[in-house]
Amino acid sequence: QSVLTQPPSVSGAPGQRVTISCTGTTSNIGGYDVHWYQQLPGRAPTLLIYGNGNRPSGVPDRFSGSKSGTSASLVISGLQAEDEGDYYCQSFDTSLGDSAVFGGGTKVTVL
Amino acid sequence: QVHLQESGPTVVKPSETLSLTCSVSGGPMNRDYWNWVRQSPGKGLEWIGRVYWTGRTNFNPSLKNRVSLSIDRSASQFSLRLNAVTSADTAVYYCVRDRGCSATTCSGMDVWGQGTTVAVSS
Repeated sequence: QSVLTQPPSVSGAPGQRVTISCTGTTSNIGGYDVHWYQQLPGRAPTLLIYGNGNRPSGVPDRFSGSKSGTSASLVISGLQAEDEGDYYCQSFDTSLGDSAVFGGGTKVTVL
Repeated sequence: QVHLQESGPTVVKPSETLSLTCSVSGGPMNRDYWNWVRQSPGKGLEWIGRVYWTGRTNFNPSLKNRVSLSIDRSASQFSLRLNAVTSADTAVYYCVRDRGCSATTCSGMDVWGQGTTVAVSS
């Protein structure tokens, strides 16, 4: 299983707000930034949120991220059909020799 | 705009070595981390390792004994070698840039190649 824990799936109707959690420990999220990636069907992942809550240029402001203690969250406010895909959190882990670690991924379904 | 492109064989025989190269265009390879990430069919993302622009490396502990990474800044390329492959190494392999951390924040993996599919099969 993955070092970072995410729910396997979340769903919502268009316009709704959905939240994806990412749970870790003091050796990873508790001491390092968290980043989020979006992977649309058949595509390579893209950076969605970096440094816990920053959006790269071009990412809509309906995507937001936060971190508290050993957990992080990604919120999609105003869910749209084109948001359907897989979302991954990522951090680093000191207990694994400063290895990058990913969550298992969360499939977002737009109802 | 930095662009990454993976290249290498699409099929590797069991017990042999998988070798991939990532070509970097649109910018220098200075002061950045150059990563390899893979995704087995229907599965999530797995970090393989990274090579810093100086040549220093970090690896996923689960793969450390089989992986080597190298960088050739003059050729704008970095490479992955994975020894003794099995069917479990069948995956899409991505090369990825990470700009590291400033004093206040870390940048995340901001540029990804399109990925190359490698099947381990006899």
